[in-house]
Amino acid sequence: EAGVTQSPTHLIKTRGQQATLRCSPISGHTSVYWYQQALGLGLQFLLWYDEGEERNRGNFPPRFSGRQFPNYSSELNVNALELEDSALYLCASSPFITTGGRDEQFFGPGTRLTVL
Amino acid sequence: SQQGEEDPQALSIQEGENATMNCSYKTSINNLQWYRQNSGRGLVHLILIRSNEREKHSGRLRVTLDTSKKSSSLLITASRAADTASYFCATDEAPQIHSGGYQKVTFGIGTKLQVIP
Repeated sequence: EAGVTQSPTHLIKTRGQQATLRCSPISGHTSVYWYQQALGLGLQFLLWYDEGEERNRGNFPPRFSGRQFPNYSSELNVNALELEDSALYLCASSPFITTGGRDEQFFGPGTRLTVL
Repeated sequence: SQQGEEDPQALSIQEGENATMNCSYKTSINNLQWYRQNSGRGLVHLILIRSNEREKHSGRLRVTLDTSKKSSSLLITASRAADTASYFCATDEAPQIHSGGYQKVTFGIGTKLQVIP
């Protein structure tokens, strides 16, 4: 069974441009999560999608947005890129569990975004 | 301090020794998970311990959870050079579930473990 896939692997943009990152979850998983991991820092929660809806977002400005498609794949868009947006962006998927908390999240390899 | 804060931030040991990492959190949780990350790649799930469990084992891994102290520890026994990685705890907060609101999973900043051959 294929794991979570992300594309592209690396992305280099200049300040002010827009970046689009893509994620395909494991088959059967309806929840997709996006995290930002800046150098030397932990994972910062960005967005959570389930069944095509945004369920929650972290403490990031509105220029970070995304969507989830009917096939549960997801896209993260970052507008008006700033230098500090340079980071590893990780996508994870899990089945949606309504009670008892979620079980493990399965992570993709990440997209390394560099803003020059 | 933040939810899911690991301690120490970095740890260097000799191969064969045991490595212990700690995680503290602030809110009530449904479960706590430990993940491993090799040099800037995706995270790999290691073990999940639920709030009603106190200890769990998986191979050379042993996780404990003390909900009264809001802390967890990850013990790696007989460490190997291949265990060199960053280790993160992630807490799945409890209260929001019953409100039908979002469920929040929070990752800490991680412990960098180096196992020297």
